[in-house]
Amino acid sequence: GESVGLHLPTLSVQEGDNSIINCAYSNSASDYFIWYKQESGKGPQFIIDIRSNMDKRQGQRVTVLLNKTVKHLSLQIAATQPGDSAVYFCAENGGGGSQGNLIFGKGTKLSVKP
Amino acid sequence: DTGVSQDPRHKITKRGQNVTFRCDPISEHNRLYWYRQTLGQGPEFLTYFQNEAQLEKSRLLSDRFSAERPKGSFSTLEIQRTEQGDSAMYLCASSTRTSGSYEQYFGPGTRLTVT
Repeated sequence: GESVGLHLPTLSVQEGDNSIINCAYSNSASDYFIWYKQESGKGPQFIIDIRSNMDKRQGQRVTVLLNKTVKHLSLQIAATQPGDSAVYFCAENGGGGSQGNLIFGKGTKLSVKP
Repeated sequence: DTGVSQDPRHKITKRGQNVTFRCDPISEHNRLYWYRQTLGQGPEFLTYFQNEAQLEKSRLLSDRFSAERPKGSFSTLEIQRTEQGDSAMYLCASSTRTSGSYEQYFGPGTRLTVT
């Protein structure tokens, strides 16, 4: 079936640098996308979301970019901090009458070096 | 802490035993979801409730799995005759229908180990 996937399983950045985490999705019917952060031993934590009628959305230190042409989603974290170290998942709603269950990718592990 | 609680946090059981997990969502949320997550993977959807009605079930949810939300508040997920392949983190999430948002708030999960 169609699913969301990740380009890179791990990403290591220096504290203070910007991080970019990428995600490819294949379900063209999806109209809502969301990024979650998951720390070890905890449930996923909402970071930011975006609807398909937008191509960019900004939050506090985070920006999500959506390119529907190539079905690509990215999460940019500015001035990455050690507390940003976690696994990041993108997810899509699957569109087409979905009642809201999310389809998750495999995740990217972000490691921040002090 | 998102406000979604799950109990127990860890469960070790022997193959063939039944287990039951509980989820207490954020009180005003009418939607409740169960997901399963194995190591290194993203959460996989299992089932979804709106109030007390179970509206959607994944093909992942075999006949050994049953979920309930009798009063539209807390929910239970039962696994009968557990198998080693059931070992995973079971996550509960809740949400409330707002315009254009599917944001789900996740609990800390119940880690199941089947020996």
